[in-house]
Amino acid sequence: AQSVSQHNHHVILSEAASLELGCNYSYGGTVNLFWYVQYPGQHLQLLLKYFSGDPLVKGIKGFEAEFIKSKFSFNLRKPSVQWSDTAEYFCAVTPYGGATNKLIFGTGTLLAVQP
Amino acid sequence: EAGVTQFPSHSVIEKGQTVTLRCDPISGHDNLYWYRRVMGKEIKFLLHFVKESKQDESGMPNNRFLAERTGGTYSTLKVQPAELEDSGVYFCASSTHGTGGKIGWDTIYFGEGSWLTVV
Repeated sequence: AQSVSQHNHHVILSEAASLELGCNYSYGGTVNLFWYVQYPGQHLQLLLKYFSGDPLVKGIKGFEAEFIKSKFSFNLRKPSVQWSDTAEYFCAVTPYGGATNKLIFGTGTLLAVQP
Repeated sequence: EAGVTQFPSHSVIEKGQTVTLRCDPISGHDNLYWYRRVMGKEIKFLLHFVKESKQDESGMPNNRFLAERTGGTYSTLKVQPAELEDSGVYFCASSTHGTGGKIGWDTIYFGEGSWLTVV
C-alpha cells in the first residue's frame, strides 16, 4: 500500500534558522509530490508540487523541495525561517495517471518558530 | 472568489446521534473530495465526487458514513450513528477538472475543516 512518512513530528526553531523537513514515500510507480501547509486557524494550502522535470522545485514564501527518486524522498527546505512560518506541514503524494486525484498524506510536522 | 466552505466548523454530539456535515465547493469545481484526520494521525482520503457521481469511495470507513452531492453542487457527509472513533477533523476539498497525472491535474483547494467530537 502507498504511504508517506514524515519523520519530524515537532520541530522548534529560532527565527533565521534553516529548515529541512523530511518526507519519504512508498510507491513503486511514478508519483506526483506535494507539500501543503496549514497555518493556525486556516485551511490547508499548497506550498509546492512536483510532477516531472527539474527535481528542485520552488514554492511560495521561499520554500523549496528536492525530489530524490533513488531515495523516494521529497524534503522541504527553507534557508531562513520566520515566525510567520509557524504552522503544520504535510507531505502528500498521488500516483501519476490515476483515475482520481486522491492524495496520500503523511502525519504532518508541527513547526514552531520562536522570535 | 469564495473558497471551499464547510459547516459546521465545530460539532459535539453524543455517541449514537447523527451528524451531517456540509461542504460548498468553489463554484464551477466538478471534483469534490472528503478527507478526515483523526487526532495525531494522517489526513486520510474518504471519497471523491465528480459532479454528482462517486468516482472513488474506497476510503469510506463503514456504512455509517453516507456522502451525497445533490445536483453536483454542495455535498453532505452524514454519520449515523456516530461512534467515539469518528471524532476528528473532516476536510472537504475541490478542484476543477482533470484526474491524476501531470496533464489535467489541478490544484486541490481545501476548506478549513469541520471538527467533530463524539462523546
